[in-house]
Amino acid sequence: KAGVTQTPRYLIKTRGQQVTLSCSPISGHRSVSWYQQTPGQGLQFLFEYFSETQRNKGNFPGRFSGRQFSNSRSEMNVSTLELGDSALYLCASSRGRADTGELFFGEGSRLTVL
Amino acid sequence: AQRVTQPEKLLSVFKGAPVELKCNYSYSGSPELFWYVQYSRQRLQLLLRHISRESIKGFTADLNKGETSFHLKKPFAQEEDSAMYYCALPPLSGNTGKLIFGQGTTLQVKP
Repeated sequence: KAGVTQTPRYLIKTRGQQVTLSCSPISGHRSVSWYQQTPGQGLQFLFEYFSETQRNKGNFPGRFSGRQFSNSRSEMNVSTLELGDSALYLCASSRGRADTGELFFGEGSRLTVL
Repeated sequence: AQRVTQPEKLLSVFKGAPVELKCNYSYSGSPELFWYVQYSRQRLQLLLRHISRESIKGFTADLNKGETSFHLKKPFAQEEDSAMYYCALPPLSGNTGKLIFGQGTTLQVKP
């Protein structure tokens, strides 16, 4: 069973640019969550999508957005990049039921903003 | 609001020594708690959850509702235990697509 796949793995952008990150969940998983991981803040929840609908949202500015497609693949977008957006962005998938509790993470997309 | 606190950023022990990674939480009701681990150059993965009461790789964690803690313990640390450990809990809605993570503790096991 293939794991969660994230692309691209590494990218470098400059301030003011925008970026789109992609996540393919494990087959059969309908929930996709996004997290930002930084050394200072740890893992911060961005948002979660389930069946193409945003189900939860974290405390991030509107520059951060996402969507989910009918095949459960998800994308997140960050517009008007700032230096502080440099981080490892992790995607996680799960079946989406409240009783499972286990998230399956991808390897992440490491974004560097210059 | 729900919150997870891991007071130690770094815990350094010698091989064979006992390990206790601290996790405190604030939550209304009975939480389901998790420990996730990230080994070097590997994905973040579930280590154990309190509801299963398992021992994984020699690690155990007991939920102490009185102290609102869920500390991760291992009697004899191994070098391969060196990793980043995160304590986590779901929001009150029970939707575990979203987990609230602590800031993580790096465990360094020295030979």
